[in-house]
Amino acid sequence: GEDVEQSLFLSVREGDSSVINCTYTDSSSTYLYWYKQEPGAGLQLLTYIFSNMDMKQDQRLTVLLNKKDKHLSLRIADTQTGDSAIYFCAESIDYGGSQGNLIFGKGTKLSVKP
Amino acid sequence: GAVVSQHPSRVICKSGTSVKIECRSLDFQATTMFWYRQFPKKSLMLMATSNEGSKATYEQGVEKDKFLINHASLTLSTLTVTSAHPEDSSFYICSAAAGFAGNTIYFGEGSWLTVV
Repeated sequence: GEDVEQSLFLSVREGDSSVINCTYTDSSSTYLYWYKQEPGAGLQLLTYIFSNMDMKQDQRLTVLLNKKDKHLSLRIADTQTGDSAIYFCAESIDYGGSQGNLIFGKGTKLSVKP
Repeated sequence: GAVVSQHPSRVICKSGTSVKIECRSLDFQATTMFWYRQFPKKSLMLMATSNEGSKATYEQGVEKDKFLINHASLTLSTLTVTSAHPEDSSFYICSAAAGFAGNTIYFGEGSWLTVV
């Protein structure tokens, strides 16, 4: 079955870059997503990448996709204390047109130290 | 951008009662919405896929008679937790796909359910 794996914790200093890694198993994934969840809040879509792309950059965020290794990463440049949150990687599984069914990783808790 | 709204954000109910959670797509139509459940310090688990005008598709292990889903219009899906028990206490969150091929999936703010 489908599986998405992430490391559970990452700690960085303010101003450094953060890299959150994710691996997935389903090679038929069409889209891969990064969501941010702050304590007690819902999920905020940060960015997504289509499976035929290698890289996507959006301001401080850079997503790298290695489809051969089924490896996805999120790099946050100049990490700020406000970036402290749990980051979820998710893959979209398309079952005959049922768009939007996401398989989530367990989330990586990013702690930013001043 | 697209917005998905959930209501209520927090609800406390007595054991044995039922509680309804609404999920609305505010500026787009969603033929399909998804309901997830998140246990403390755990990832989100898909409970069911809500289809407008037809029955919901439930994931294995989710009781369809306990978690009633109704998707009566293209902008509203509801999840009703019937005969709630304390173990149903959790964070419930819905999502909807906006746009072709599900490339933009937005989540509601989530609803904290506490059953006492």
